[in-house]
Amino acid sequence: QVRLVESGGGVVQPGRSLRLSCAASGFNFGKYGMYWVRQAPGKGLEWLALISYDESNEYYGESVKGRFSISRDNSKNMVYLQMNSLRADDTAVYYCVKGVEEVVDINYFDDWGQGTLVSVSS
Amino acid sequence: DIVMTQSPESLAVSLGDRASITCKSSQTILHSPNNRDFLAWYQKKPRQPPKLLVYWATMRASGVPDRFRGSGSGTDFTLTITSLQPEDVAVYYCQQYYRHPLTFGGGTKVEIK
Repeated sequence: QVRLVESGGGVVQPGRSLRLSCAASGFNFGKYGMYWVRQAPGKGLEWLALISYDESNEYYGESVKGRFSISRDNSKNMVYLQMNSLRADDTAVYYCVKGVEEVVDINYFDDWGQGTLVSVSS
Repeated sequence: DIVMTQSPESLAVSLGDRASITCKSSQTILHSPNNRDFLAWYQKKPRQPPKLLVYWATMRASGVPDRFRGSGSGTDFTLTITSLQPEDVAVYYCQQYYRHPLTFGGGTKVEIK
């Protein structure tokens, strides 16, 4: 079955960087767009980033554009989120998510990781 | 960006009663060539990832009880829980996947009265 396991979360000071990783298994990784979604404490779901199955396209939400960067390694079934210039309002649980349909960039989501907590605090 | 507006923010319903949540998009998310609405509904419980309930506005995801029903088209959508059960206590979110950026509604918290 599909498994998505995030890692790399933790406590980080404002202005610093952090890289999240997501190990994927149980599906043909190289055929699916991969996404990151977060939920801040007491807040709703916020889509952050997408990378196409073949790395041809990247899309970002406005709140993270220019600060966060998504990447993937199809040889290792891994997806990453590089987070720079972190702010207190980036504190959230970050989810790695798989798109439902192969190849397409825009999707709904049926497989989510358990999430990793990022706390930005001095 | 397509703004998704959910209402109410919260509702309390007696066990066995109906719960209805509405979601309105700021522009149509109906793709006319295939007559599909690009809308999904999720259930979110504390300390768990979101769970897909409905996609294409009306299609129930695999394993989702039939008391969960999605309806609507164009810009106005509804998620109905026809007979509320204790395990349905959660926050529910709609999401449009018509165009980027993908956007979620603000969420609706469902509780037992």
